[in-house]
Amino acid sequence: QVQLKESGPGLVAPSQSLSITCTVSGFSLTSYGVSWVRQPPGKGLEWLGVIWGDGSTNYHSALISRLSISKDNSKSQVFLKLNSLQTDDTATYYCAKEKLPYAMDYWGQGTSVTVSS
Amino acid sequence: DAVMTQTPLSLPVSLGDQASISCRSSQSLENSNGNTYLNWYLQKPGQSPQLLIYRVSNRFSGVLDRFSGSGSGTDFTLKISRVEAEDLGVYFCLQVTHVPYTFGGGTKLEIK
Repeated sequence: QVQLKESGPGLVAPSQSLSITCTVSGFSLTSYGVSWVRQPPGKGLEWLGVIWGDGSTNYHSALISRLSISKDNSKSQVFLKLNSLQTDDTATYYCAKEKLPYAMDYWGQGTSVTVSS
Repeated sequence: DAVMTQTPLSLPVSLGDQASISCRSSQSLENSNGNTYLNWYLQKPGQSPQLLIYRVSNRFSGVLDRFSGSGSGTDFTLKISRVEAEDLGVYFCLQVTHVPYTFGGGTKLEIK
């Protein structure tokens, strides 16, 4: 069955970089995209960006200067890297399987990231 | 960016009642091919969002027919008939017609 699982560092110091890995199973990264979404504590959802099956990407315009999404198809892994972290980057980060017409149909459990010194 | 405005913020209901949630976009969600990409999700406490409705009115696999979506252009509605305890949580709309994708702010369905 389709599964996605995020793994991240938990705690990141301000101004440092965040790296999160999304490991997927049950589908191929060459055929489906993966979106990244985050949710600050007690708040709503924010889409960050997507990497498609062909490796192309779309990013949220507000994060384009700090965000990078890449993948390793052979390892079924997608990588998010966010630079120059600030306290308002504190959130649970989710990856989600992505393909029209369903858009984000399956989500990972999320990984909590706190930006603090 | 397409701003998604959800109302109400909170929706107290009695079990067995019908619930209705509105999602309004600041711009039309119909693309040049005539397709409209508006989804509805439920996020239960401590869980990740789960897809209920895609492309305005299509129920995702395993979703009960108590959930229905409707709308066009900029105005969309999710209806839940005969609310059950398992339906409680926060409902979000999501548009994926325009980049960046944008979510509504959420509607918390709770017991009256």
